[in-house]
Amino acid sequence: EDKVVQSPLSLVVHEGDTVTLNCSYEVTNFRSLLWYKQEKKAPTFLFMLTSSGIEKKSGRLSSILDKKELFSILNITATQTGDSAIYLCAVFSNSGYALNFGKGTSLLVTP
Amino acid sequence: DSGVTQTPKHLITATGQRVTLRCSPRSGDLSVYWYQQSLDQGLQFLIQYYNGEERAKGNILERFSAQQFPDLHSELNLSSLELGDSALYFCASSVGQGRYENTEAFFGQGTRLTVV
Repeated sequence: EDKVVQSPLSLVVHEGDTVTLNCSYEVTNFRSLLWYKQEKKAPTFLFMLTSSGIEKKSGRLSSILDKKELFSILNITATQTGDSAIYLCAVFSNSGYALNFGKGTSLLVTP
Repeated sequence: DSGVTQTPKHLITATGQRVTLRCSPRSGDLSVYWYQQSLDQGLQFLIQYYNGEERAKGNILERFSAQQFPDLHSELNLSSLELGDSALYFCASSVGQGRYENTEAFFGQGTRLTVV
């Protein structure tokens, strides 16, 4: 059975800190890995990663995929209170159609 | 705004009842996915449709069913509702199927279902 595991489950940091969120996966025939940010309601798409070693970047957020070691990290630099959210990692595989989600990392950024 | 529309936003209903949740995908997207999110669970995949056909089934109860119509909107029907069915129900859409092709998936705002 495909598995997506995120760590840590929860994180509290001060504004300005840098955080690293982890996502490891065990899936058959990996296709792509997606990161989402969930605030009050809908998960908002952040990045899709398909190739190893290529960094995707958007402002203070960046993510990289390691297909050999089967994990991805999401970095947030100079955190702001508005970054407080649950960050979700999900995987598409060629053996299934649906996005398989991890349980998420809850990030709280305090002033 | 992701472009995925879900109605209603909130729904309160009694046990034993039946409800229908509706999802309109982003323009051009052929795939629709339904997910359930409870407090103690992550996003649990229920079912996926692609261009009107069922593509994948997850942990969907027999009391639940879904369909995708020719105009690509989808409906999730929940019947014989129980207290434990209270959750956020999300719909997501993508251009592709997710299998054999890279495709981004975008979520609607969700329907909060409360069963009393």
